[in-house]
Amino acid sequence: GEDVEQSLFLSVREGDSSVINCTYTDSSSTYLYWYKQEPGAGLQLLTYIFSNMDMKQDQRLTVLLNKKDKHLSLRIADTQTGDSAIYFCAENPGGYQKVTFGTGTKLQVIP
Amino acid sequence: DAGVIQSPRHEVTEMGQEVTLRCKPISGHDYLFWYRQTMMRGLELLIYFNNNVPIDDSGMPEDRFSAKMPNASFSTLKIQPSEPRDSAVYFCASSSGPLDGELFFGEGSRLTVL
Repeated sequence: GEDVEQSLFLSVREGDSSVINCTYTDSSSTYLYWYKQEPGAGLQLLTYIFSNMDMKQDQRLTVLLNKKDKHLSLRIADTQTGDSAIYFCAENPGGYQKVTFGTGTKLQVIP
Repeated sequence: DAGVIQSPRHEVTEMGQEVTLRCKPISGHDYLFWYRQTMMRGLELLIYFNNNVPIDDSGMPEDRFSAKMPNASFSTLKIQPSEPRDSAVYFCASSSGPLDGELFFGEGSRLTVL
């Protein structure tokens, strides 16, 4: 299908903020998601935002949505080594259960 | 609940052999998805089921791939005959949450075809 785009790699120092960006494709998506994949594991839903929201905050996580530009970002405050993983942006075109994932951004946290 | 259970976790086989991957979704979930993850293509949706019925199989690469869901608690993904380019991690996921598209993934089956 169409590509949900993300940068492939991000490296940050422990304690700094991380910002992972995503450009999605379908303005009809009801929800936009961030999933986290740790090594050797499946993906886990980290957070989501409803399409009529601009921002959502959940503890150290802040999601920003710019519908005009179809841009989604995930900010992780006070990044820890345990945050090292691959982060996937995802959308559900047409609002259905079918979910399209981005290419994934590998976050490396340097102690 | 134990979550989505996949087997085997690892499979190494030779080209031309049949491979069967298995999945047990979370009880009560009425959607089941099969994804394939590779370095080159990322995470691709192969097929998904709703109430045991295949809804969209447009992601299935070719006729060598088939998937079934004989009941609400079991699904299989079969590759026959297998080829080296089928080497990947295959994930099963299930869903029935209040959020459209909130998926619960298994730990994956890593397939290596020699």
